[in-house]
Amino acid sequence: ELKVEQNPLFLSMQEGKNYTIYCNYSTTSDRLYWYRQDPGKSLESLFVLLSNGAVKQEGRLMASLDTKARLSTLHITAAVHDLSATYFCAVGRLYTGNQFYFGTGTSLTVIP
Amino acid sequence: DSGVTQTPKHLITATGQRVTLRCSPRSGDLSVYWYQQSLDQGLQFLIQYYNGEERAKGNILERFSAQQFPDLHSELNLSSLELGDSALYFCASSPSWEAQTQYFGPGTRLLVL
Repeated sequence: ELKVEQNPLFLSMQEGKNYTIYCNYSTTSDRLYWYRQDPGKSLESLFVLLSNGAVKQEGRLMASLDTKARLSTLHITAAVHDLSATYFCAVGRLYTGNQFYFGTGTSLTVIP
Repeated sequence: DSGVTQTPKHLITATGQRVTLRCSPRSGDLSVYWYQQSLDQGLQFLIQYYNGEERAKGNILERFSAQQFPDLHSELNLSSLELGDSALYFCASSPSWEAQTQYFGPGTRLLVL
């Protein structure tokens, strides 16, 4: 079974700092997704990465994918309080349907 | 707002009971997915339907079943409920079975007492 690991599980960072969340997965896939979840809320799609070397940026967040290393990163630049949330990566397995295998999530708290 | 709707928002029931969760996908989406989110298991894929047909099955218990109707809405039936079934159940939808992303509904929070 496909395993998806994220680290760190918890991240507390000061406003203005940079940090990276890592997402490793165990078997071949070329579909990697990042979602954000606020407490008690649903999942909001952030990025879709569909090929090796893909890089997407939106505001202070940048996601990248290295399919050979089976690694995706979510980089946070100059964090602000509004970025406090739980971030999930998910790997898609197209040939078995399109179900997503989610990572454990990274709970990010940005401290003023 | 993703355009995916789920009812009810909250559900409190007793062990041994049966409940039905309902999901309406985004307009035009043919594929519906069900996920369970709990503290100990995280986010787990349960089942996927595409245009009325079961497309993929994940870690769905035999006590659970789902279907997708001709109008494309889906229902997840949970029976013989146990305390451990308490979780947040999400429905997601996508235009096709091979779509690039899934759009998640607000979820149904189930509490089994």
